[in-house]
Amino acid sequence: SAVISQKPSRDICQRGTSLTIQCQVDSQVTMMFWYRQQPGQSLTLIATANQGSEATYESGFVIDKFPISRPNLTFSTLTVSNMSPEDSSIYLCSVGGGDWGNEQFFGPGTRLTVL
Amino acid sequence: SQQGEEDPQALSIQEGENATMNCSYKTSINNLQWYRQNSGRGLVHLILIRSNEREKHSGRLRVTLDTSKKSSSLLITASRAADTASYFCATDATGTASKLTFGTGTRLQVTL
Repeated sequence: SAVISQKPSRDICQRGTSLTIQCQVDSQVTMMFWYRQQPGQSLTLIATANQGSEATYESGFVIDKFPISRPNLTFSTLTVSNMSPEDSSIYLCSVGGGDWGNEQFFGPGTRLTVL
Repeated sequence: SQQGEEDPQALSIQEGENATMNCSYKTSINNLQWYRQNSGRGLVHLILIRSNEREKHSGRLRVTLDTSKKSSSLLITASRAADTASYFCATDATGTASKLTFGTGTRLQVTL
């Protein structure tokens, strides 16, 4: 498996501001993903972070709102832009889908509260 | 929505009892994975079962998969208070490049 860290672990932000979340993996991985978990809900995939190219977004998520970078095979960032209270969620990165026989492993998550 | 359904939504049992959670999904899959989440923290990977497997064991966990019914179950035997958590199934649908679709989750409470 992989050791995945996320920064920050939690934050409280004001509406209209932006927050960048970092995801660091202890080994090179092919696939990296970003998920959102709204309060009391299950997880929803935001996008696949592609190394060296633009991220692939799922329906309902757009690059202007959730820009993603992936400069190398161990690191990715997700920015939540122009935040509103509806963006209050846990944001999780995950890795896998091939590197470990299709198992996916998740980071500890970033709990975001927007006031 | 392609999201899977889990039942029950909540389950309360006493320590030592077995807990069974069910997951239904909607599409053809490559595999199905079960995760545990404690108090809104990160997800802990429990077990992966491939589409050509029918049953898998890991410690006190037993997972079954019925692709004809598009359903899976997770059995936790001899439950402990530390098993208190939310449990999610997640499917890797055929042709989706490892993107996971999560079920709605089961909240398990194990009391002493």
